Amino acid sequence: SQKIEQNSEALNIQEGKTATLTCNYTNYSPAYLQWYRQDPGRGPVFLLLIRENEKEKRKERLKVTFDTTLKQSLFHITASQPADSATYLCALGGNSGYALNFGKGTSLLVTP
Amino acid sequence: KAGVTQTPRYLIKTRGQQVTLSCSPISGHRSVSWYQQTPGQGLQFLFEYFSETQRNKGNFPGRFSGRQFSNSRSEMNVSTLELGDSALYLCASSFAGGSSYEQYFGPGTRLTVT
Repeated sequence: SQKIEQNSEALNIQEGKTATLTCNYTNYSPAYLQWYRQDPGRGPVFLLLIRENEKEKRKERLKVTFDTTLKQSLFHITASQPADSATYLCALGGNSGYALNFGKGTSLLVTP
Repeated sequence: KAGVTQTPRYLIKTRGQQVTLSCSPISGHRSVSWYQQTPGQGLQFLFEYFSETQRNKGNFPGRFSGRQFSNSRSEMNVSTLELGDSALYLCASSFAGGSSYEQYFGPGTRLTVT
């Protein structure tokens, strides 16, 4: 069965450092992969999308890599700030509509 | 543009009852998806509607159903509620044109079944 794994342990880092979150998947050939941010009590917020034929995408302090051979995506936040503290979700999708399969998310805590 | 709105925000129901949740997508968005979020299972896809047709369906029992109206607004219904249906129900809308796959989520409806 399809599995999407994100580090279940919270990631604690110091302000200014780079946070790196991992998303691994098995039994899946996604057409694209997305990263979302979710704050407590709120819906997820879209951050970045990367397609199967792309290796890397950047947006401001965010960078996503996608390795379809390793079946892994890495999500980086550079120069992290306490406001970046949240749960980050990776989601995989195919070409037939908008059904996303989500990982369970990794909680990030950035301390001053 | 106004974001995705969901009503009601909170709901308490009793086992065996049924419930209807509503979602208004972002103006111009034609695809509406529904997800269930629980601490144990995370975010799970329920179904997706596009042009009033169910285009994708997740692995949930038939007690979960939905529909989409001509103005893209969507409702989901859960019949014969079970305790395990207690969850945050999230609706997401997408433009569904070209190659844009990002989804925009509403704040969710927190359903508690007692």
